[in-house]
Formats: sequence, structure tokens, C-alpha cells
Amino acid sequence: DTGVSQDPRHKITKRGQNVTFRCDPISEHNRLYWYRQTLGQGPEFLTYFQNEAQLEKSRLLSDRFSAERPKGSFSTLEIQRTEQGDSAMYLCASSPRLQGTFFGQGTRLTVV
Amino acid sequence: AQKITQTQPGMFVQEKEAVTLDCTYDTSDQSYGLFWYKQPSSGEMIFLIYQGSYDEQNATEGRYSLNFQKARKSANLVISASQLGDSAMYVCAMTQNSGYSTLTFGKGTMLLVSP
Repeated sequence: DTGVSQDPRHKITKRGQNVTFRCDPISEHNRLYWYRQTLGQGPEFLTYFQNEAQLEKSRLLSDRFSAERPKGSFSTLEIQRTEQGDSAMYLCASSPRLQGTFFGQGTRLTVV
Repeated sequence: AQKITQTQPGMFVQEKEAVTLDCTYDTSDQSYGLFWYKQPSSGEMIFLIYQGSYDEQNATEGRYSLNFQKARKSANLVISASQLGDSAMYVCAMTQNSGYSTLTFGKGTMLLVSP
């Protein structure tokens, strides 16, 4: 499968725990995005990388959130001290220079 | 700031009929891109069709066409000959600079196709 891959697909965690999600973009895509989607809403932008550089962060990305793309390939999104309001679908997407954005299947986070 | 509005929370259509899903947008940019994605219950966003703001012709991709009316700031998706597998959430989105930056999404329209 040469699409965008996200792991895990589902995560249930207790409030206060840390969680980390991984995204493997399509190999030739230099741009990588993280979005968050809550129930009944469209996805909302969190952050964006071009190669290994994090170029943009949304105000939604509080201090408890951190994202990395160390070698310009895969990316990780970590949430520290999770809260119930963090429960959402976390979507990763990638794009090449001149075409559209392709999404992974998402990681569904439930904080209990 | 950009904004996408989808006013239809849900739509019903019979198999083999055509359906139009509405999308209006607001932007002060001259150059922008418009997208439609399909989101099945599994959650992934499947790219359907793209329209650039300077494209003079409406985009088409198989059974999908985008009815782009720039003056009215609308980008409606038309699905011809609906199939049962078309049942899903459909989300309209836009970017600045004709498609190479971050996406702003609408809330989506749930389409149900009946036999």
C-alpha cells in the first residue's frame, strides 16, 4: 500500500496519560499535515511540515501538543496529559509540490 | 480568513439518480483551490475532485463534477447515477494559492443512497 499510513487506528487512554501517534506519508511527498476532527465537524488544521521543518502551527495546538518530523519522512504527534476534550479523530495528510492533499485513515482517540 | 459553508446536514437520493451537494465559500484571496472529499464511516478522507479559482471549465472526474460559480462563490458537487457505495459524508474544502497550502473544511453533508 503506497498511501498515507497512520498508526494506531484506535487509541483509548485514561485522562492524564501521554499518547503518541505516527504518520508515514506517501514517500515522494515533501509536505505533511496534521488535522483534528471532532464529532459533527469538518477537520481542523493543527500543523504543517515541509520536509523536516515545521512551518505552521494552529492556535488549536496547545503546549500539550508537539509534532516532529525528524528526517523529513514519518511524523509523530504527541499529546501530553490528555484531557477528555482531546477525544477526536487525528488525520495525517501529505502532498507533493503541485498537487492535492491525500489523507490517511486517521487515528481515533478516546480519552476516558 | 477563509470559510466553507455546507448547509445540508443530510441528503437522501435513490440509486441511479443524480444528486447535488451544496458548498459556498468566503475568501478575499484571488487565487484559491476548492476540493471535495468523501469520508466513509471508517474515517479516511478520500479525494474526489479539485477546482482552481482560475480554471474556466468545471472540473469533472468520472461520475463527479464540480459546478463552480465564481460570482456566487459556490462550488457544488454533482454526483451522477448514484450508487449504494456513495453513501458517506461529503466534505467541501478550500486552500489559498490554488491548492498548495492548508485546507479549510466545511462541516460536511451526509449522503444516504437508497435502493
